[in-house]
Amino acid sequence: KAGVTQTPRYLIKTRGQQVTLSCSPISGHRSVSWYQQTPGQGLQFLFEYFSETQRNKGNFPGRFSGRQFSNSRSEMNVSTLELGDSALYLCASSGGQGWNEQYFGPGTRLTVT
Amino acid sequence: AQTVTQSQPEMSVQEAETVTLSCTYDTSESDYYLFWYKQPPSRQMILVIRQEAYKQQNATENRFSVNFQKAAKSFSLKISDSQLGDAAMYFCAYRSQNSGNTPLVFGKGTRLSVIA
Repeated sequence: KAGVTQTPRYLIKTRGQQVTLSCSPISGHRSVSWYQQTPGQGLQFLFEYFSETQRNKGNFPGRFSGRQFSNSRSEMNVSTLELGDSALYLCASSGGQGWNEQYFGPGTRLTVT
Repeated sequence: AQTVTQSQPEMSVQEAETVTLSCTYDTSESDYYLFWYKQPPSRQMILVIRQEAYKQQNATENRFSVNFQKAAKSFSLKISDSQLGDAAMYFCAYRSQNSGNTPLVFGKGTRLSVIA
């Protein structure tokens, strides 16, 4: 079974721009969570989607948003990028018998200049 | 809110030796899950082992085992017969059992080096 995939793997953007990241979960998984990883703050939860509905949201500004499609694929969007948004963005999926376990994708490295 | 603390930012171990990574957590809940994740330089976060709080028996996965002390809120990871491929960041994580929509809460991580 294929793992979680994320695209693109690397991204360079300029302050003020917006960006969209994509995540395809493991087949059959309906829950997708997003995390931001930075050296200073570590891993922080952004939001989680299940069956196209946002079930939980972390403490991030409204510039961070997401959505989930009927095939469980998810996107996250960051508008008006700031330098501090530079991070590794990780997507994780869960579902099936191991619903409490989250399986991570390789991440998208976003650099804001 | 739950917190997870990993007090060892860095550790090293000789190849074939055993190393233990520490993790403590704070929670008022009685039912929860604990996890250890490994993140090698390639960045892919890999689930190493999980422990259900209601189980007294410590989880084991091949060379990886945990020492779960619920009363002390301690969840350490032991790696036996360390291999060069074990070199990575290791994250301890907590997840409430209350529902399926609670996020993982991570510690800051421990960077493990394996010396040949």
